[in-house]
Amino acid sequence: DTAVSQTPKYLVTQMGNDKSIKCEQNLGHDTMYWYKQDSKKFLKIMFSYNNKELIINETVPNRFSPKSPDKAHLNLHINSLELGDSAVYFCASRAGSGNTIYFGEGSWLTVV
Amino acid sequence: EDKVVQSPLSLVVHEGDTVTLNCSYEVTNFRSLLWYKQEKKAPTFLFMLTSSGIEKKSGRLSSILDKKELFSILNITATQTGDSAIYLCAVGSSGTYKYIFGTGTRLKVLA
Repeated sequence: DTAVSQTPKYLVTQMGNDKSIKCEQNLGHDTMYWYKQDSKKFLKIMFSYNNKELIINETVPNRFSPKSPDKAHLNLHINSLELGDSAVYFCASRAGSGNTIYFGEGSWLTVV
Repeated sequence: EDKVVQSPLSLVVHEGDTVTLNCSYEVTNFRSLLWYKQEKKAPTFLFMLTSSGIEKKSGRLSSILDKKELFSILNITATQTGDSAIYLCAVGSSGTYKYIFGTGTRLKVLA
């Protein structure tokens, strides 16, 4: 069973479109994250939710909107996609009292 | 501003060599330091370090933390081609849920 799963794994779309990436974790963790990894492999945090509450909101364009319907799910919606949004988006989760972050396999987004 | 710096950025070695990867950090209220290995897909967890001077070991990999000098090292002995990957260091602060990642070290092991 995949602990943190993301869909879609690969997405190619045109500039200006709106797209969503979904994430689910079956680890029973309280905290979930979205990270963006650029072409230089730098992982940068975007958002974090703890028990459905937004707790981290880094300097991210407001075209990016996260949503957590319950603590096992964290989705990312992106409006008006731009070329610079092309990256790998990783979902991750962490137990409330633990420290280790577990990553999903990533969603490869290419904007053309 | 909190930051994590890894060095070297990239490294090419031959099988059998020993490598040492560095991670230095400046964060408020340090809680833990994590090491990850990333091959083609998701980063996979290697070690979590919270206390100075206690070595964590897993096979040919080991890691240690120095909270006074604010750094950690990851050692890989008798490297193999399968060790080729990007090694990521992340640091978390108490009281926040944020983990900050370094830029990673890209290791290539040649046969």
